[in-house]
Amino acid sequence: GAGVSQSPSNKVTEKGKDVELRCDPISGHTALYWYRQRLGQGLEFLIYFQGNSAPDKSGLPSDRFSAERTGESVSTLTIQRTQQEDSAVYLCASSSDRASSSYNEQFFGPGTRLTVL
Amino acid sequence: LAKTTQPISMDSYEGQEVNITCSHNNIATNDYITWYQQFPSQGPRFIIQGYKTKVTNEVASLFIPADRKSSTLSLPRVSLSDTAVYYCLVGDRGYSTLTFGKGTMLLVSP
Repeated sequence: GAGVSQSPSNKVTEKGKDVELRCDPISGHTALYWYRQRLGQGLEFLIYFQGNSAPDKSGLPSDRFSAERTGESVSTLTIQRTQQEDSAVYLCASSSDRASSSYNEQFFGPGTRLTVL
Repeated sequence: LAKTTQPISMDSYEGQEVNITCSHNNIATNDYITWYQQFPSQGPRFIIQGYKTKVTNEVASLFIPADRKSSTLSLPRVSLSDTAVYYCLVGDRGYSTLTFGKGTMLLVSP
């Protein structure tokens, strides 16, 4: 079946502009996650959505970052007034409901490479 | 989530067995040990998860000693395509988020 998809695959923007990144999770997956990965670094958790619960925003680095999710489907990550330090690959992952899964396997998309000039 | 420590890099040759050890001294009773693999320009991919003793699947084996303060990912007969970064993570099976360190960069040479 289809995996997690993200768009765009690459985004180049100028400092100060807003950008919107999109994630389409695997159908039926109730949990959705956003991570950031800087060059040569591990993944940095940003935000987590689980069903209709309030999202866990504890990883968002500043108030310039926000994310929304429509029900249990598409999610968008918005970065306002982008800075050069925001340049990274933004990865989205989804997983099925933890109560019914044998383990919490997250399925990752290919990521969006953001470059802020 | 428990902190993990693993080697920054490892080198191997095709056909060899590779063992990557991860330390997690403050692992909690409810924590599971999970390994992910990441190829360049791709998102991480789940490899294996275990709680104690040994777990084996079609890709790898995971060895966990009785004290669970470390674990070893074993990749049998590696090929060039196994060149990737391998991440060790520790957390409750139902944990909502994953904390990835820098992982271990495995380079397999001909």
